[in-house]
Amino acid sequence: AQSVTQLGSHVSVSEGALVLLRCNYSSSVPPYLFWYVQYPNQGLQLLLKYTSAATLVKGINGFEAEFKKSETSFHLTKPSAHMSDAAEYFCAVSDTQAGTALIFGKGTTLSVSS
Amino acid sequence: DAGVIQSPRHEVTEMGQEVTLRCKPISGHNSLFWYRQTMMRGLELLIYFNNNVPIDDSGMPEDRFSAKMPNASFSTLKIQPSEPRDSAVYFCASSLQGPNYGYTFGSGTRLTVV
Repeated sequence: AQSVTQLGSHVSVSEGALVLLRCNYSSSVPPYLFWYVQYPNQGLQLLLKYTSAATLVKGINGFEAEFKKSETSFHLTKPSAHMSDAAEYFCAVSDTQAGTALIFGKGTTLSVSS
Repeated sequence: DAGVIQSPRHEVTEMGQEVTLRCKPISGHNSLFWYRQTMMRGLELLIYFNNNVPIDDSGMPEDRFSAKMPNASFSTLKIQPSEPRDSAVYFCASSLQGPNYGYTFGSGTRLTVV
């Protein structure tokens, strides 16, 4: 069965610093991978997705993620954090062959200080 | 497009009462998903529909929970009778390309059972 593990339930950075949110996946078949962001009292918004094309995926708000099969990772990065990036971030995986719905990680809360 | 619309946004009910949550997916989307979000368990898939047909309901906690999708533009999640442990945020999401691709989430229904 597919699963994702997000390392670190809480990450704190200063404004302008690099953002790195970690996600490792477990999948017996080539996965599709996703990052979502959730702002307080809102639903989840898709940031970016990997669907077996380019391994470096660019998303909205300056975020990007790189699929590394050898490391079973799909870490999310942003070169320079902004106060508005403070939110909860979820990594998700899908089983492309079984057609099952997305499985989400536990989430990482990003705090940005000035 | 108005996005995925959920109602009500907030629901407070007494233990033992019936609760019905509603969802209107994005027009043209053929997959619909119900998730539950709690601090303890994160985001859990409850059930998903493809072309109005339930495909996977293995996440439905118990017989007190039921979900229907009578047509392509409406779904309900019912809890009868409700219990305090059902308190959570319930999200509906829809997808154009099936379960493997990115979803659009609604804003959620925050359910409190007292």
